[in-house]
Amino acid sequence: GAGVSQSPSNKVTEKGKDVELRCDPISGHTALYWYRQRLGQGLEFLIYFQGNSAPDKSGLPSDRFSAERTGESVSTLTIQRTQQEDSAVYLCASTKWTGQETQYFGPGTRLLVL
Amino acid sequence: AQSVSQHNHHVILSEAASLELGCNYSYGGTVNLFWYVQYPGQHLQLLLKYFSGDPLVKGIKGFEAEFIKSKFSFNLRKPSVQWSDTAEYFCAVLSGGSYIPTFGRGTSLIVHP
Repeated sequence: GAGVSQSPSNKVTEKGKDVELRCDPISGHTALYWYRQRLGQGLEFLIYFQGNSAPDKSGLPSDRFSAERTGESVSTLTIQRTQQEDSAVYLCASTKWTGQETQYFGPGTRLLVL
Repeated sequence: AQSVSQHNHHVILSEAASLELGCNYSYGGTVNLFWYVQYPGQHLQLLLKYFSGDPLVKGIKGFEAEFIKSKFSFNLRKPSVQWSDTAEYFCAVLSGGSYIPTFGRGTSLIVHP
């Protein structure tokens, strides 16, 4: 595709429910990143994939958060038992090779936990 | 760990005013430096970047940034802003050997016509 896409664009859920957020990177991009952006804050790194392995999961805030990636394509970020503090915009970005390059961002998924 | 400071969180200017947005980082080794911009309703996108060479970097739409190693800074400048420059601006730093960029908190710029 022409760019990074994410779905859904908006998600409203009730506290305690699980949610899945999807990211389709640019075709051929091997590195994929997930970030969280809370209102008025910067981008908070969550996890990084090189291919389908995740060398760095250090940013995942708790064991309720997990992510996987199929090959060098789609990635899914799952948040189990959502809490109100999980409300944020979740951004996905991809780069062609390693992380030493310009990141191409998707439009984000705006998550609201009631 | 690397940290990135953007001192101006909100900037309001009139058209034709000059702009300078500050960005300072903490790690003193080799760095790659970026400015990203997010226009209203659009994706984050690259404005300009510095990897090596001339410390004065030119980007899109008349923006430039200067890497001053001794000051750990990478400030963004534009001599004359336009209403269309209204956006959120993020500074990011990639430390040598790392694959994870560190982003600043962002600066919201509003330009009045």
